[in-house]
Amino acid sequence: GNSVTQMEGPVTLSEEAFLTINCTYTATGYPSLFWYVQYPGEGLQLLLKATKADDKGSNKGFEATYRKETTSFHLEKGSVQVSDSAVYFCALSFSGGYQKVTFGTGTKLQVIP
Amino acid sequence: SAVISQKPSRDICQRGTSLTIQCQVDSQVTMMFWYRQQPGQSLTLIATANQGSEATYESGFVIDKFPISRPNLTFSTLTVSNMSPEDSSIYLCSVTQETGTNEQFFGPGTRLTVL
Repeated sequence: GNSVTQMEGPVTLSEEAFLTINCTYTATGYPSLFWYVQYPGEGLQLLLKATKADDKGSNKGFEATYRKETTSFHLEKGSVQVSDSAVYFCALSFSGGYQKVTFGTGTKLQVIP
Repeated sequence: SAVISQKPSRDICQRGTSLTIQCQVDSQVTMMFWYRQQPGQSLTLIATANQGSEATYESGFVIDKFPISRPNLTFSTLTVSNMSPEDSSIYLCSVTQETGTNEQFFGPGTRLTVL
């Protein structure tokens, strides 16, 4: 079956540090890939997505590139802020009709001033 | 994108009681989903609710414990029945776009504590 593996957290960074959160997936075929963010006390929000190989999703300074050869979709940001502190979930789904979304376990990011 | 609201936002309940969670969407959608997020964990899909048909439950979840209603294309309820402390979780409602990549839009969640 499909699966998503994320690096374990929590990840603690100082403000303005570079962020990488690793995500790899296992799937038959070519899924769409997503990063969701969950701020404290809130539901999940879509952060960015990529629908095919070599696509780069970007939003709010975050980026992730769909790498088919390494089955990865690592999340990066050049300079994190305290307001980026949240839990980040990598996920995949297939297009065409309804397909279940498979979520990773989530990675908690703490940014300290 | 869809805007989703949930009621209540949080509740503290006694063991053996039931709680009904409401999910309202600002547009008509075919499919709605209910997830459980236990403390510090990822999301687990409970069931998929289509308007006009019975909900489809995932392995480990049963209708007697988590009855779901879907009376129209903008509303659904999830009831957590005969609660125990193990049911303490965040319950999230979500919807998906009708076409495209199946990205999901989530409500703010209902934080349930069972004593």
